[in-house]
Amino acid sequence: AQKITQTQPGMFVQEKEAVTLDCTYDTSDPSYGLFWYKQPSSGEMIFLIYQGSYDQQNATEGRYSLNFQKARKSANLVISASQLGDSAMYFCAMRGLPRNQFYFGTGTSLTVIP
Amino acid sequence: DTEVTQTPKHLVMGMTNKKSLKCEQHMGHRAMYWYKQKAKKPPELMFVYSYEKLSINESVPSRFSPECPNSSLLNLHLHALQPEDSALYLCASSQADRAHQPQHFGDGTRLSIL
Repeated sequence: AQKITQTQPGMFVQEKEAVTLDCTYDTSDPSYGLFWYKQPSSGEMIFLIYQGSYDQQNATEGRYSLNFQKARKSANLVISASQLGDSAMYFCAMRGLPRNQFYFGTGTSLTVIP
Repeated sequence: DTEVTQTPKHLVMGMTNKKSLKCEQHMGHRAMYWYKQKAKKPPELMFVYSYEKLSINESVPSRFSPECPNSSLLNLHLHALQPEDSALYLCASSQADRAHQPQHFGDGTRLSIL
């Protein structure tokens, strides 16, 4: 079975500080992708960053980086230098089997405090 | 700007009305998705089309009827909806059968059932 777990319903971070959002996953498929999405209150789902199961290095995309620990089955999102505009829901997702299905975690609501 | 276009952005309808949601993408993606999302919850998968054929139907009530006229378009026909169907409806697309490719989402349609 494919499963994504996000254990932090809500997080607060001071502006300009870094924050880590946790994500663990479960799959028996050796080939899978892990993705993070941001959803502001306006509703659009914005793709942030991706990590492939065979990637040796952690993915980075601007202020976003993914701390991928394959043995622990974790794919935590790190946001550096938080900005007020980072306040949003963040969803971790996995693509495995069947190939065209995505599995989402329950999400983490991030609030950036000025 | 999103590469997946959804119309309309907002829709208010009565329980006896018939309406349609539309989704269009020009990224050459051959997998397209409909999701239903309630506030502060993850998207719930409704339907997946792969190569213009319905491949996943997550036991969605028959008052929701999907259609994929061609590889760029996806419709969701609505009839006799219930108040609990009020939600954000998201369309997404992805490259088919590629575990390491993300979904791209439209901005969604906010649906209210009176």
